[in-house]
Amino acid sequence: AQKVTQAQTEISVVEKEDVTLDCVYETRDTTYYLFWYKQPPSGELVFLIRRNSFDEQNEISGRYSWNFQKSTSSFNFTITASQVVDSAVYFCALSVMKTSYDKVIFGPGTSLSVIP
Amino acid sequence: ETGVTQTPRHLVMGMTNKKSLKCEQHLGHNAMYWYKQSAKKPLELMFVYSLEERVENNSVPSRFSPECPNSSHLFLHLHTLQPEDSALYLCASSQRTDPNYGYTFGSGTRLTVV
Repeated sequence: AQKVTQAQTEISVVEKEDVTLDCVYETRDTTYYLFWYKQPPSGELVFLIRRNSFDEQNEISGRYSWNFQKSTSSFNFTITASQVVDSAVYFCALSVMKTSYDKVIFGPGTSLSVIP
Repeated sequence: ETGVTQTPRHLVMGMTNKKSLKCEQHLGHNAMYWYKQSAKKPLELMFVYSLEERVENNSVPSRFSPECPNSSHLFLHLHTLQPEDSALYLCASSQRTDPNYGYTFGSGTRLTVV
């Protein structure tokens, strides 16, 4: 069975602080994808990053960075110098491939509030 | 434009009403999904359509009836709903061969059952 855990339910930080959102996943599959999505108050889920199970390189995109460690089954997300616009719910997700489609399991989400 | 369009954005319906949610994707994806997002709960996968064929139905009550007439459109027909069905209903699409593969979500329909 697959599972995604985001232990932090809610986080509040002051603007310009760095913040790390934790994600731990479980799967027996050797091939899988990991994702992060952002859900602002408007409701739409916005795709942030995809990482496949064979690529453990960390990635940086502007103020965002991701740390993928298979040894600990973690895929953590760090926002540097947070801004008020970063306030949203962030979901970590795991995708396991079926024959013709992909089943994505979402974590419960972490609600981030950035206070000005 | 997000590529996945959901209508209506908001819907209030009585328990005896019949209504439909619509999802349309303009991305050429071959799989479409319905998710339910209730307050304080994780996203729940409801239905998956791949190449217009339903491939997954996660024990969803029969008062929810999906329809996928073609690869670009997905509907969720609603009838005799309960107040606990009030939630945000999200549609998504994906295409495994897309190098930037990942779900693309619509903005959702906020459903309130009164």
